[in-house]
Amino acid sequence: SAVISQKPSRDICQRGTSLTIQCQVDSQVTMMFWYRQQPGQSLTLIATANQGSEATYESGFVIDKFPISRPNLTFSTLTVSNMSPEDSSIYLCSVRGPGPLAKNIQYFGAGTRLSVL
Amino acid sequence: DQQVKQNSPSLSVQEGRISILNCDYTNSMFDYFLWYKKYPAEGPTFLISISSIKDKNEDGRFTVFLNKSAKHLSLHIVPSQPGDSAVYFCAATTNSGGGADGLTFGKGTHLIIQP
Repeated sequence: SAVISQKPSRDICQRGTSLTIQCQVDSQVTMMFWYRQQPGQSLTLIATANQGSEATYESGFVIDKFPISRPNLTFSTLTVSNMSPEDSSIYLCSVRGPGPLAKNIQYFGAGTRLSVL
Repeated sequence: DQQVKQNSPSLSVQEGRISILNCDYTNSMFDYFLWYKKYPAEGPTFLISISSIKDKNEDGRFTVFLNKSAKHLSLHIVPSQPGDSAVYFCAATTNSGGGADGLTFGKGTHLIIQP
């Protein structure tokens, strides 16, 4: 499986500010996924990011709030904009497994723990 | 509405015994199911998966059973070891998406293995 690095690992931010989370993969991948896990909740898909095209957002998530960049096949960023305490969550990026047998398996980074005051 | 449900927030099992974690789903379009394990401050780690064309998949101490008619799956860990103490997430997706679909997760079950 791919090695996925996320930065920062955690941050404490003031409301109204924005934070950009970076996700670096050690191999080239077509598709990257961004998830959020709010306290006590399941992981929820925010968006799917393909290199060279606009990210596809899930219902309830919008580009203005969570802009995503995908400049190449090994890197992506997720920005949490105009933060409020409700954005306090763990944010995770993931990639698909290699090859057709692993296409439905996703591998995750360690996550970014965000607290908004 | 939760499409993947793990109704037990926590489960305590004695070391050496069998741990059984349960998961129910409501979306009949789901045809591929996965279990992940998560330690604190780490991302979820893939454990085992099963396609809807099977009813059982085994990998070492881990076995996943799928009952499509009941829309229910379970993860069996035998024998349970102290290192198995973690949060276990059930997830589902549609195989027809070719891997382009995201995963839908349950809320997780915190498994505690007691010595």
